[in-house]
Amino acid sequence: GNSVTQMEGPVTLSEEAFLTINCTYTATGYPSLFWYVQYPGEGLQLLLKATKADDKGSNKGFEATYRKETTSFHLEKGSVQVSDSAVYFCALIEGNSGGYQKVTFGTGTKLQVIP
Amino acid sequence: AAGVIQSPRHLIKEKRETATLKCYPIPRHDTVYWYQQGPGQDPQFLISFYEKMQSDKGSIPDRFSAQQFSDYHSELNMSSLELGDSALYFCATRQRGVTDTQYFGPGTRLTVL
Repeated sequence: GNSVTQMEGPVTLSEEAFLTINCTYTATGYPSLFWYVQYPGEGLQLLLKATKADDKGSNKGFEATYRKETTSFHLEKGSVQVSDSAVYFCALIEGNSGGYQKVTFGTGTKLQVIP
Repeated sequence: AAGVIQSPRHLIKEKRETATLKCYPIPRHDTVYWYQQGPGQDPQFLISFYEKMQSDKGSIPDRFSAQQFSDYHSELNMSSLELGDSALYFCATRQRGVTDTQYFGPGTRLTVL
């Protein structure tokens, strides 16, 4: 079956530091890859996505590139802010827009940014 | 932009009671997914609906049931509640044929005492 492996947290960084959260996956077929962010006490918000190999998703200074050769979708940000403190989930969606879907989440990585 | 609405946001129940959670999709979204998230865990898929029909089933206990209505809103009914049912329950919705992205609601935090 499909699986998503994220780096264990928590990750603690100082403000303006560079962020990388590793995510690797195993899947049959050609899944879409997502990063969701969950702020304390809130639901999951879509951060970015990529639907095919070599696509780069980006949003709010975050970016991730769909690497088929390394089966990875690492999340990066050049300069984190305190407001980026949250839990980040890497997710794989097997299926397509027109029909059946199955979502596999990673275990989440908690990011704490200190001033 | 309109988002997914879930109600109630917080719910406290006693053991063996019942609970009903509601999910109102983004307009034109016809597919609903329910997830359960325990403390410090990733969301676990429970069940999904498309056009009022169950489309997939995950790790949903037999004590739980769900349905989708003609206006596409969905309800998750939970009976004989157990302490272990305490969790955050999310629904996510999408418009089949248009997007592969699931949009999540803010969740209902269920506490069973």
